[in-house]
Amino acid sequence: AQKVTQAQTEISVVEKEDVTLDCVYETRDTTYYLFWYKQPPSGELVFLIRRNSFDEQNEISGRYSWNFQKSTSSFNFTITASQVVDSAVYFCALGGGSNYKLTFGKGTLLTVNP
Amino acid sequence: DAMVIQNPRYQVTQFGKPVTLSCSQTLNHNVMYWYQQKSSQAPKLLFHYYDKDFNNEADTPDNFQSRRPNTSFCFLDIRSPGLGDAAMYLCATSRAGGVNYGYTFGSGTRLTVV
Repeated sequence: AQKVTQAQTEISVVEKEDVTLDCVYETRDTTYYLFWYKQPPSGELVFLIRRNSFDEQNEISGRYSWNFQKSTSSFNFTITASQVVDSAVYFCALGGGSNYKLTFGKGTLLTVNP
Repeated sequence: DAMVIQNPRYQVTQFGKPVTLSCSQTLNHNVMYWYQQKSSQAPKLLFHYYDKDFNNEADTPDNFQSRRPNTSFCFLDIRSPGLGDAAMYLCATSRAGGVNYGYTFGSGTRLTVV
């Protein structure tokens, strides 16, 4: 069975602070994919990143960066110099190989205060 | 732009009155999914279609049905909505191969049961 744990239920920061959202996963698949999605108050799920299990390179996209470590089964997400527009619920998700199902964590509500 | 469109964005239905939610896509993706997301919870897969093949999750209640008349459209039917079915319903699509290629989500339909 697959499982995704986002231990941080809520995080509150002040604008321009850096913030890291944690994600720990469990799977028996040797090939799997990890995702991060952003869900603003309007409700849609906005895709941020997909990473396969064979690619442990960290990735940076503007103010966003991701740290994938298979040794600790973690796929953490850092926002640098946070902005009010970053306020949303962030979901980490896991999919296995040729499976069609995404297993989501419970999400982390990030509030960035001015 | 190619996209996944869900109608309506907001739906209010009466307890026990059948309701249908609609999803259409212009991506020509083989696979279409329906997820249920209750307040402050993770999205949960109800079922998916691979072309015309219907795949139900084991714990999806019988009250939930789906139809896919063609590649572009997929419907979620709730036969007798209860108060516990109030949620955001998210439609998503993917190419054949599932999570290998990631999902494209629609904006969701927020269902209220009164």
